[in-house]
Amino acid sequence: EAGVAQSPRYKIIEKRQSVAFWCNPISGHATLYWYQQILGQGPKLLIQFQNNGVVDDSQLPKDRFSAERLKGVDSTLKIQPAKLEDSAVYLCASRYLTGRTYNEQFFGPGTRLTVL
Amino acid sequence: AQSVTQLGSHVSVSEGALVLLRCNYSSSVPPYLFWYVQYPNQGLQLLLKYTTGATLVKGINGFEAEFKKSETSFHLTKPSAHMSDAAEYFCAVSKSAGTYKYIFGTGTRLKVLA
Repeated sequence: EAGVAQSPRYKIIEKRQSVAFWCNPISGHATLYWYQQILGQGPKLLIQFQNNGVVDDSQLPKDRFSAERLKGVDSTLKIQPAKLEDSAVYLCASRYLTGRTYNEQFFGPGTRLTVL
Repeated sequence: AQSVTQLGSHVSVSEGALVLLRCNYSSSVPPYLFWYVQYPNQGLQLLLKYTTGATLVKGINGFEAEFKKSETSFHLTKPSAHMSDAAEYFCAVSKSAGTYKYIFGTGTRLKVLA
């Protein structure tokens, strides 16, 4: 079974530039998550999708971050414009949605963003 | 609100020694608890999880953890450390209903000494 795919793996940009990250979840996983992991900290949830709808975006800085999952499969996270404090690893995770049994999240390798 | 505390951001053990990584949680509802491992430049890999049932949970690579409700703890142990265990370990808590979103601890970096 293929895992969660993310691209690019690394990105370096200047502050005020724009950047986009792509995630393809495991086939059949209805729930998709984007996390921000700043160096020395645990991952922090930015946004959660169920199919193509947003379930939780309470910690997404909506003035500069946006995310979409138009067809309920792959997803794009965008930052525009980037700030120095956005330097972090952006992790995508997915989860199989079932009625009763709890299933854990599966994580992709992440995209390491450096903002100069 | 839920929260997770991992005591010790860095832990060093000798190869063959006991590994003990501490995790305490706060939750107003019965929690689901997880331990993930992260190797350099990789994503997070699930080691083990507690949802319901037996409170002693066994995971991959010889790790296990025990859910202790009275102590609000979910410490991770391994009887004998191996060099390949060197990595960062994250404890996470999730509600047992709703969005199931994770709240992660700040992580513990494990160093294994030869």
